[in-house]
Amino acid sequence: NAGVTQTPKFQVLKTGQSMTLQCAQDMNHEYMSWYRQDPGMGLRLIHYSVGAGITDQGEVPNGYNVSRSTTEDFPLRLLSAAPSQTSVYFCASSYSRQGYYGYTFGSGTRLTVV
Amino acid sequence: AQTVTQSQPEMSVQEAETVTLSCTYDTSESDYYLFWYKQPPSRQMILVIRQEAYKQQNATENRFSVNFQKAAKSFSLKISDSQLGDAAMYFCAYRRPTGANSKLTFGKGITLSVRP
Repeated sequence: NAGVTQTPKFQVLKTGQSMTLQCAQDMNHEYMSWYRQDPGMGLRLIHYSVGAGITDQGEVPNGYNVSRSTTEDFPLRLLSAAPSQTSVYFCASSYSRQGYYGYTFGSGTRLTVV
Repeated sequence: AQTVTQSQPEMSVQEAETVTLSCTYDTSESDYYLFWYKQPPSRQMILVIRQEAYKQQNATENRFSVNFQKAAKSFSLKISDSQLGDAAMYFCAYRRPTGANSKLTFGKGITLSVRP
């Protein structure tokens, strides 16, 4: 089925560990982004990409890295996990840079850092 | 920078009744898009409705409609004939029309409960 696939759905990390959250879309969307959702904070943008090879920082980029080597994939790397990174992470994509299109979201990853 | 404000953290509605969720936003631009997303307990983000700022007519999707007041920068969502399945968190979101900076900016969300 066409859509945005995120893995894993759940993850527990120890402080200081690193990991990569995977995101893949099969809709040939140019625009991809990562959000984190925290209680009472809504969804905040971590990083985004407007196409393969192009990434930029969002509102809360510290502690995260991204790369976009293909149109389909946009992984999010946690370099050294901290308890403050406990959150639900969403990957989202959009058909183009044109604002008419809302985003298609993945099902989210619940990350707990202990 | 654009901001989106949802000032009511929680609301409740009786099944079959109508409820309105409020949203205000701040922007200096004249052209933009506004969205309402629904997030049920499954966590999935579902697009409910969108409004194009250059259109005066309010968007409608079945039981969902918006009241878009551009001058007041207000964008409320009305849910008619509320159903138990409408219980969810609802997010208002803003998006610039084009360009590399056309990211989606969200409000903090409102939790809607539906009483049987």
